[in-house]
Amino acid sequence: NAGVTQTPKFQVLKTGQSMTLQCAQDMNHNSMYWYRQDPGMGLRLIYYSASEGTTDKGEVPNGYNVSRLNKREFSLRLESAAPSQTSVYFCASNPEGGSLRAFFGQGTRLTVV
Amino acid sequence: KNEVEQSPQNLTAQEGEFITINCSYSVGISALHWLQQHPGGGIVSLFMLSSGKKKHGRLIATINIQEKHSSLHITASHPRDSAVYICAVRTSGSRLTFGEGTQLTVNP
Repeated sequence: NAGVTQTPKFQVLKTGQSMTLQCAQDMNHNSMYWYRQDPGMGLRLIYYSASEGTTDKGEVPNGYNVSRLNKREFSLRLESAAPSQTSVYFCASNPEGGSLRAFFGQGTRLTVV
Repeated sequence: KNEVEQSPQNLTAQEGEFITINCSYSVGISALHWLQQHPGGGIVSLFMLSSGKKKHGRLIATINIQEKHSSLHITASHPRDSAVYICAVRTSGSRLTFGEGTQLTVNP
């Protein structure tokens, strides 16, 4: 049982490049989330998906797009990376809207130069 | 003012000490989570609670809904407890709002 798997773990991009962060969970959870973590600001929600086929904006969605193609996978795309998107990104999932614990991926450390 | 405030921001203790980390929030919640972020960056969910108290090993979490306050206690602390501890509250729907975290260092 792998839980929540994120790839890649590290990435360096040049300004303007695009990339997709992949996230998959094998726990049959409905809800999945993408967060970014920055010093002094805690974890902030970028996008979330309450169920397969649905996505909603979080606190800081600008510059990102997401895709929930199936129940297992929730990807985060940066179409044109900017230095302000240098951060650590976490994917998370939980089985219901609010009743049970959340599971986190190991994180992706992204640097945009 | 953040909706979730943690204190202290940094905490250094000697092995064996009893540790308390506090979390106050200003919004209505359906649940509160305590998370542990290891030095390598991974995040683990320690507790999810909506009332009362939960205990797991040397960790105890309490919540007072009326006072909008939660505490995480670590008894007989150990250097391996060194980590960032994050409080998060579940407000509307399935979304979490996070505190900034408390960096705990336990010295041998």
